[in-house]
Amino acid sequence: KNQVEQSPQSLIILEGKNCTLQCNYTVSPFSNLRWYKQDTGRGPVSLTIMTFSENTKSNGRYTATLDADTKQSSLHITASQLSDSASYICVVRTGNQFYFGTGTSLTVIP
Amino acid sequence: DSGVTQTPKHLITATGQRVTLRCSPRSGDLSVYWYQQSLDQGLQFLIQYYNGEERAKGNILERFSAQQFPDLHSELNLSSLELGDSALYFCASSPSGGNQPQHFGDGTRLSIL
Repeated sequence: KNQVEQSPQSLIILEGKNCTLQCNYTVSPFSNLRWYKQDTGRGPVSLTIMTFSENTKSNGRYTATLDADTKQSSLHITASQLSDSASYICVVRTGNQFYFGTGTSLTVIP
Repeated sequence: DSGVTQTPKHLITATGQRVTLRCSPRSGDLSVYWYQQSLDQGLQFLIQYYNGEERAKGNILERFSAQQFPDLHSELNLSSLELGDSALYFCASSPSGGNQPQHFGDGTRLSIL
């Protein structure tokens, strides 16, 4: 069964600290893996897209890694800011289908 | 601003009714995707159109249908509405598809009473 699981479900960190979010998937065959940031009441915003051959991709303070062998990905946020408070969603594409994780809710506190 | 426009922002209707949600993609984007986000099931892919043709179908119910017009805007039609159809419906667009980023609108919030 194609599934995408994210952990932790929620996370609270102090402003300025780093954090890492996890995404494990069983989706096959693999096309690409995407990380999105979704603010409350807004549409998701694309952070990174990685294909099978890519194992690291950065977008500013966001760095995503992919291990296609173990079917795991992580999103590392460096020097967190209050504006990073949002839900982070992992999406795996197989062919023309998309499988979404349930997201990690991140709260950054001053 | 993603450049993707969805109307209306909010829609309140009753069970059994039919509604149409509209999406204008970013200028130049040929692919349009529709997604449903509910509290209990999270985000789900419904359907993709590319340059007027259906490209992929996800968890779209038979009561739902979509189309993409020659000017590339798209409409999602929901009929025989049930309480469980209450959700946020997002449209996203990309230049073509594949490994390109999708740009999401801010959604239409549908409430079924």
